[in-house]
Amino acid sequence: QQQVKQSPQSLIVQKGGISIINCAYENTAFDYFPWYQQFPGKGPALLIAIRPDVSEKKEGRFTISFNKSAKQFSLHIMDSQPGDSATYFCAASKRSGADGLTFGKGTHLIIQP
Amino acid sequence: GAVVSQHPSRVICKSGTSVKIECRSLDFQATTMFWYRQFPKQSLMLMATSNEGSKATYEQGVEKDKFLINHASLTLSTLTVTSAHPEDSSFYICSARAGKYYGYTFGSGTRLTVV
Repeated sequence: QQQVKQSPQSLIVQKGGISIINCAYENTAFDYFPWYQQFPGKGPALLIAIRPDVSEKKEGRFTISFNKSAKQFSLHIMDSQPGDSATYFCAASKRSGADGLTFGKGTHLIIQP
Repeated sequence: GAVVSQHPSRVICKSGTSVKIECRSLDFQATTMFWYRQFPKQSLMLMATSNEGSKATYEQGVEKDKFLINHASLTLSTLTVTSAHPEDSSFYICSARAGKYYGYTFGSGTRLTVV
């Protein structure tokens, strides 16, 4: 049972455009929703994270939108740049728990110059 | 910010030998460390969770006798792949937390190739 569903699997966006990646979760106990960026051969790096008491969080060009009733959250990358080309993973966990993160399957993002 | 160091970054070993991977939290005490496995173009799959001074908890389907995890101190966890076989070739990534309500910091990963 996949607890975090991520789409699309791959995405091509023109430079300067908006990249949007979506995730849906099933476990209502989850209360921590981070997004990670991973380059080939490297570990994932935290981009931005949100808790369910807010509907949106923005850090620079990255924004998370969160819909608690729909159990969905999304990452928006504004003014996408070629350097943003990477694999992006959404994840979820119960922050107060001792469990590791449950990851989505990932989105391979390519920003075309 | 929190930093997790993982070594080696890549290792090649012969089938049947054992390999040890180290994960260190450099500027914080990690009460909990996690080990993930990632196959090419796939997601990270949690293998086990370890708390300092206690036995690791393995996810379903992960052989605890093959993947030995030791978390002897608050800054060091090791994963030993015993009697490695080619199917164990993968990217192994550790993660650490300073405690509940803290974020997860990831190491840079170890590419294991078993020949």
